[in-house]
Amino acid sequence: DVKVTQSSRYLVKRTGEKVFLECVQDMDHENMFWYRQDPGLGLRLIYFSYDVKMKEKGDIPEGYSVSREKKERFSLILESASTNQTSMYLCASSPGSYNEQFFGPGTRLTVL
Amino acid sequence: EDKVVQSPLSLVVHEGDTVTLNCSYEVTNFRSLLWYKQEKKAPTFLFMLTSSGIEKKSGRLSSILDKKELFSILNITATQTGDSAIYLCAGYGTSYGKLTFGQGTILTVHP
Repeated sequence: DVKVTQSSRYLVKRTGEKVFLECVQDMDHENMFWYRQDPGLGLRLIYFSYDVKMKEKGDIPEGYSVSREKKERFSLILESASTNQTSMYLCASSPGSYNEQFFGPGTRLTVL
Repeated sequence: EDKVVQSPLSLVVHEGDTVTLNCSYEVTNFRSLLWYKQEKKAPTFLFMLTSSGIEKKSGRLSSILDKKELFSILNITATQTGDSAIYLCAGYGTSYGKLTFGQGTILTVHP
């Protein structure tokens, strides 16, 4: 079974803090993704990566950056957290460009 | 800009009812449409549809794609309380590896 894990299920941070969200997949997948999920808006793509050290902006990259130093690990960074970044963050991976994406359990981030 | 719209946004039914969830899409160079089920955790994959008119079926769940009219439906027969979840529809188009999601349909099944 594909397993995608995320470093925290729940996280509370203060405005202005730097926040790291970690995602690890164990199936040697090429592609990894970061989404945020908000009520009524569905999942929106923040960034994705199709190879180590490669990254592409998604639909809402502002205020976020990412890092992929190893194939199995994809990190989402909030350089200076703001209250409007309070959300559920979901990581996903897939073996190719147009395959099923496998999701992690999500991190619910609250920024106070 | 690619767009996926789901309806209804929420639905409340009783056990044993049959439900139909709708998904319409406008995706440039459409390749495939995916359905996911999300309970209080990670979305789990249900179906991927690439060809028009072909029904994908798994137990009480089935889905069909109409590429001419640009929509898909997800049917659930004889609903159970365990079917309560958010159902997500998403489409792949030209953009490399990028899935565009709809807003989701929240299904609640009462005993």
